[in-house]
Amino acid sequence: EPEVTQTPSHQVTQMGQEVILRCVPISNHLYFYWYRQILGQKVEFLVSFYNNEISEKSEIFDDQFSVERPDGSNFTLKIRSTKLEDSAMYFCASGGTEVAEAFFGQGTRLTVV
Amino acid sequence: KQEVTQIPAALSVPEGENLVLNCSFTDSAIYNLQWFRQDPGKGLTSLLLIQSSQREQTSGRLNASLDKSSGRSTLYIAASQPGDSATYLCAVRPSWYSGGGADGLTFGKGTHLIIQP
Repeated sequence: EPEVTQTPSHQVTQMGQEVILRCVPISNHLYFYWYRQILGQKVEFLVSFYNNEISEKSEIFDDQFSVERPDGSNFTLKIRSTKLEDSAMYFCASGGTEVAEAFFGQGTRLTVV
Repeated sequence: KQEVTQIPAALSVPEGENLVLNCSFTDSAIYNLQWFRQDPGKGLTSLLLIQSSQREQTSGRLNASLDKSSGRSTLYIAASQPGDSATYLCAVRPSWYSGGGADGLTFGKGTHLIIQP
């Protein structure tokens, strides 16, 4: 069964460092998303991406964040200068049809120290 | 701004019981509602998707209903098993979703379910 794949599963980084989280969406999907979940809190929407551009972003997705689809299969989230409060589980999701069902990856746990 | 609330926050029941998880949302203008399961430290597994025009969806022992006008959805789990232990999340997509994938889901905080063997 097709699935969304995220790497790495866990990343530890020093405050101020740049990190890139990677995702391989389901191959025939067209819409891609990043969400995050701070420990003990709700899953929060960050950004959606369609047709090689950002469709929507939340107020969390500030200038420190960027997304890219560098080739036909990968979708990345970059955090330029990490802060302690960026520590969270980051989920990639993709969707393919007007039914708009979202399929999520297993997440990358980012720990900023 | 859409707010999604899930009640109860936690539930512990003996194996075999039927149970109901509740989800409410403040803005009834939704495109669809999706129920997910999340195991500790893991990703989200989609369980059921209900379009705004539908009243319910069923998959195996799971049944989800939607009352859009009152802003409520329920997830019914029949004959619960220890393997059903997880956190169950409800999420809604806004009605102005145009099929272009633009709109993010708004999640509730979840119901943490424990099924005792």
